[in-house]
Amino acid sequence: AQTVTQSQPEMSVQEAETVTLSCTYDTSENNYYLFWYKQPPSRQMILVIRQEAYKQQNATENRFSVNFQKAAKSFSLKISDSQLGDTAMYFCAFCSNTGKLIFGQGTTLQVKP
Amino acid sequence: DVKVTQSSRYLVKRTGEKVFLECVQDMDHENMFWYRQDPGLGLRLIYFSYDVKMKEKGDIPEGYSVSREKKERFSLILESASTNQTSMYLCASRVTNTGELFFGEGSRLTVL
Repeated sequence: AQTVTQSQPEMSVQEAETVTLSCTYDTSENNYYLFWYKQPPSRQMILVIRQEAYKQQNATENRFSVNFQKAAKSFSLKISDSQLGDTAMYFCAFCSNTGKLIFGQGTTLQVKP
Repeated sequence: DVKVTQSSRYLVKRTGEKVFLECVQDMDHENMFWYRQDPGLGLRLIYFSYDVKMKEKGDIPEGYSVSREKKERFSLILESASTNQTSMYLCASRVTNTGELFFGEGSRLTVL
């Protein structure tokens, strides 16, 4: 069975600095998709970034980028130039080719002014 | 913009009551999901539906049932609410099997 592990329950970063959130997963599949979702306080969950496993190039979206290490089954999220609006809970998610989506436990990120 | 609407943001129910949580999406998405979110446990899948009148059990279906009579609406039913079902419930939908999930705002249920 697939599993997703986020080993950092809470993290903090100073505004304008860089922070990396960790995520590891376990699967025997070769083709799959990985996501990072953001849940701001009392607001809806939204997609941050998406990575297809067959792509070697790491996905980037403005200040957000991933370090995808397929052999190590690692999918970390790097947030550059952190902003107060980045304060949220972040979830890593694995999606198999069949469409089943599994989430990690979440990491609460606090950006400090 | 895709909109996923959950009928109630906050509910308080008593043990043994029947509870309906409604979810409606307006983008003709095939797939719909119900998750529950608990601190330290992340999101756990209760049920999902790939199409109208279709449903599949997720990882924690016990104590829940679902209904999808129309494509845009996916309801979660607690036949007899229990205190351990106190949680945040999130509905989500997506257009393809491996695409982005769009979430509702969540329904926070307290069972007394």
